[in-house]
Amino acid sequence: GAGVSQSPSNKVTEKGKDVELRCDPISGHTALYWYRQSLGQGLEFLIYFQGNSAPDKSGLPSDRFSAERTGGSVSTLTIQRTQQEDSAVYLCASSARPGQPDNEQFFGPGTRLTVL
Amino acid sequence: GIQVEQSPPDLILQEGANSTLRCNFSDSVNNLQWFHQNPWGQLINLFYIPSGTKQNGRLSATTVATERYSLLYISSSQTTDSGVYFCAVRGSQGNLIFGKGTKLSVKP
Repeated sequence: GAGVSQSPSNKVTEKGKDVELRCDPISGHTALYWYRQSLGQGLEFLIYFQGNSAPDKSGLPSDRFSAERTGGSVSTLTIQRTQQEDSAVYLCASSARPGQPDNEQFFGPGTRLTVL
Repeated sequence: GIQVEQSPPDLILQEGANSTLRCNFSDSVNNLQWFHQNPWGQLINLFYIPSGTKQNGRLSATTVATERYSLLYISSSQTTDSGVYFCAVRGSQGNLIFGKGTKLSVKP
């Protein structure tokens, strides 16, 4: 596609349920990033994939969060046993030249997660 | 880690006015981007500008890497320019580290 796509655009869930968020990067982009935007917290980096590998998962807020990427393309962010503090907009970005100084990132429209 | 500070936090303009938004960062960087987040939450790329000056229509940006700041200029502002403007620099994993943004409101 022309840009980064994410689904669903909105997700309302009950506390304790699991959710899956999907990101489809720009075709040909090898790097994929997940960020979270919460009210009062700004934009927070979660995890980065180079191909199918995530070298460092330390940005994930807790062990309830996990992410995977298969085939070097689509990525899924899974949140288990959701809590109200997980409510946020989850943004995905991709770039073509990871590790290089000229590593412009392009963002998807985000998934707005609301945990009741 | 690198700290990114943006100013002012809020800005109200009358349509047609010009403005300058500032981004200071605490360490040398080789990647800096400016974004506009529209009212629907979409982050729109404005400039990739690790150094030098670029212009795109009514917008221009200048980064002085040696002095650790970047400026975004908006001329002849329009109501559609309203939203939040973010500056972001590259972190150790290639991720972006964002400032807290400048919320711009342009009044007709």
